[in-house]
Amino acid sequence: DQQVKQNSPSLSVQEGRISILNCDYTNSMFDYFLWYKKYPAEGPTFLISISSIKDKNEDGRFTVFLNKSAKHLSLHIVPSQPGDSAVYFCAATVFQGAQKLVFGQGTRLTINP
Amino acid sequence: DTAVSQTPKYLVTQMGNDKSIKCEQNLGHDTMYWYKQDSKKFLKIMFSYNNKELIINETVPNRFSPKSPDKAHLNLHINSLELGDSAVYFCASSWAGGIYEQYFGPGTRLTVT
Repeated sequence: DQQVKQNSPSLSVQEGRISILNCDYTNSMFDYFLWYKKYPAEGPTFLISISSIKDKNEDGRFTVFLNKSAKHLSLHIVPSQPGDSAVYFCAATVFQGAQKLVFGQGTRLTINP
Repeated sequence: DTAVSQTPKYLVTQMGNDKSIKCEQNLGHDTMYWYKQDSKKFLKIMFSYNNKELIINETVPNRFSPKSPDKAHLNLHINSLELGDSAVYFCASSWAGGIYEQYFGPGTRLTVT
């Protein structure tokens, strides 16, 4: 029962263009969503998050959009840079006395020069 | 001055053995976690401790026993290792009492032969 899904295992984008990574969830109780970035042989690092009371959050080149009715969120990276090449994980949570993150299976983003 | 460190980074062992993975964080966080990333790349939470108290215990075989000697350390002991335990195990930490980003360690790749 995978509550958070990233249906694209990989994505290839030209440097300077926009990268769009997608994530779908099934549990309507989730009220907070996060994106993590992971390089090989390293742990995931936090990138950006959004609360369910918002539909957009922006931080520099990174913007996350949330469509609650569609249970869908997306991460936009613009302009894409070679250093953005990594695996991106979408995660969702609902705080019930403890923070339990539910992760998607990740999307490998490759930025081509 | 690594924020979240794990030892060892690689662990190769035979079925039936008992092994431990250690985790330490120097961020002053009061909550620590263990995640398992299986062969399909899903990151799934196993345990969470807050101030040495177990607060999340997912459906994990009781061969896995976390131990938190203090709030900066969370170790994972695995008894009677099985082939299916082969995975990458990540430790993480965060503040408690709300939704805060989790800081991950570099991971321990466990291979059971």
